[in-house]
Amino acid sequence: DAGITQSPRHKVTETGTPVTLRCHQTENHRYMYWYRQDPGHGLRLIHYSYGVKDTDKGEVSDGYSVSRSKTEDFLLTLESATSSQTSVYFCAIRTKMNTEAFFGQGTRLTVV
Amino acid sequence: AQSVAQPEDQVNVAEGNPLTVKCTYSVSGNPYLFWYVQYPNRGLQFLLKYITGDNLVKGSYGFEAEFNKSQTSFHLKKPSALVSDSALYFCAVRDMTTDSWGKLQFGAGTQVVVTP
Repeated sequence: DAGITQSPRHKVTETGTPVTLRCHQTENHRYMYWYRQDPGHGLRLIHYSYGVKDTDKGEVSDGYSVSRSKTEDFLLTLESATSSQTSVYFCAIRTKMNTEAFFGQGTRLTVV
Repeated sequence: AQSVAQPEDQVNVAEGNPLTVKCTYSVSGNPYLFWYVQYPNRGLQFLLKYITGDNLVKGSYGFEAEFNKSQTSFHLKKPSALVSDSALYFCAVRDMTTDSWGKLQFGAGTQVVVTP
């Protein structure tokens, strides 16, 4: 698992509530990513980070924000959860630029 | 913009037979290509990658893939499939010419079912 921990692993929340997902890595890698996985779409990039306080938007960033105040933690926040954000969320890290990404175990989020 | 197509939602193969999972890509620059596998309720596991060099890439669990620049393809292959290879397979591409941050574009995934 390349030292990646996602929490929580499962969450059910109500529409309109804020939700924060956490990705924690133990090896001080610079690059971190949040993807969502939906049937028929594969994985799509939400946000990414290339260092502390350095973040940028991905392909499907609307309704999401991120923060990275420490190298080891990358937080994904749904400001006001909607049913369309029901998905499985994966965090990934990259050790160096020209190498593969390693993924966490995922967080299954259900918005009711 | 980069894109990845996995034309088959599902591939069915009998155990012991060859397995092929197809992937074609589109990038404006030079591609880095990856295959990942996902077992039920698990994260993605890296199988293999093409960065440069030999067009035939060997990876984990006996898998290999062939990079074909003229056909913009990167098909995943295994000579003899096992029941334990049943999983969801993803192809991914990064445009090394235009992307500075390691962002991946994934295909929709192909479910592989290997029957005994």
